[in-house]
Amino acid sequence: DAKTTQPPSMDCAEGRAANLPCNHSTISGNEYVYWYRQIHSQGPQYIIHGLKNNETNEMASLIITEDRKSSTLILPHATLRDTAVYYCIGDHNTDKLIFGTGTRLQVFP
Amino acid sequence: NAGVMQNPRHLVRRRGQEARLRCSPMKGHSHVYWYRQLPEEGLKFMVYLQKENIIDESGMPKERFSAEFPKEGPSILRIQQVVRGDSAAYFCASSPSGKFNNSPLHFGNGTRLTVT
Repeated sequence: DAKTTQPPSMDCAEGRAANLPCNHSTISGNEYVYWYRQIHSQGPQYIIHGLKNNETNEMASLIITEDRKSSTLILPHATLRDTAVYYCIGDHNTDKLIFGTGTRLQVFP
Repeated sequence: NAGVMQNPRHLVRRRGQEARLRCSPMKGHSHVYWYRQLPEEGLKFMVYLQKENIIDESGMPKERFSAEFPKEGPSILRIQQVVRGDSAAYFCASSPSGKFNNSPLHFGNGTRLTVT
């Protein structure tokens, strides 16, 4: 099972890119990496996921290193509404997603 | 396209009463997951169900908690004889298949249970 490690907190200025790192050094070859976020009092929101290639959607970009031991979630132009706890999760090749403690991102004006 | 619907949003129960939390998955999703989030803590997996079957209940407390997902209707998480320690946010998620490859979970906005 891929255990993920994230910094507990980060700050980002509004309008700047937020780069959130995640280490998953034990990830196996067919395990996806998922990113979710939880804005205060709301349910977790799916952001993006990837296996080997970098991915981009309307919310964010996901950069996965070639050895797949780490990844970075990029919010290209952070807004105040992006303040949330961000979770990086390896899918464990099992029947459930296990959430860690995540990174608390604070976007400031 | 409606997302995962949970009700009620807020539920207040006295100690010893029963709590029933409902979850309607997204259309076309036959896999439902329940998670619990205690105040100031992370999300903890409780149970995974498919229609009429419990697939994985490794995160469910051994007593007072049960879950079902009948052939018709929503999934129900039932807590009997609630205690103050059951106060938490309970989130439901659904997916079209049980394996996550290219199939992320979609979460509802939760039910906040307060036990007085």
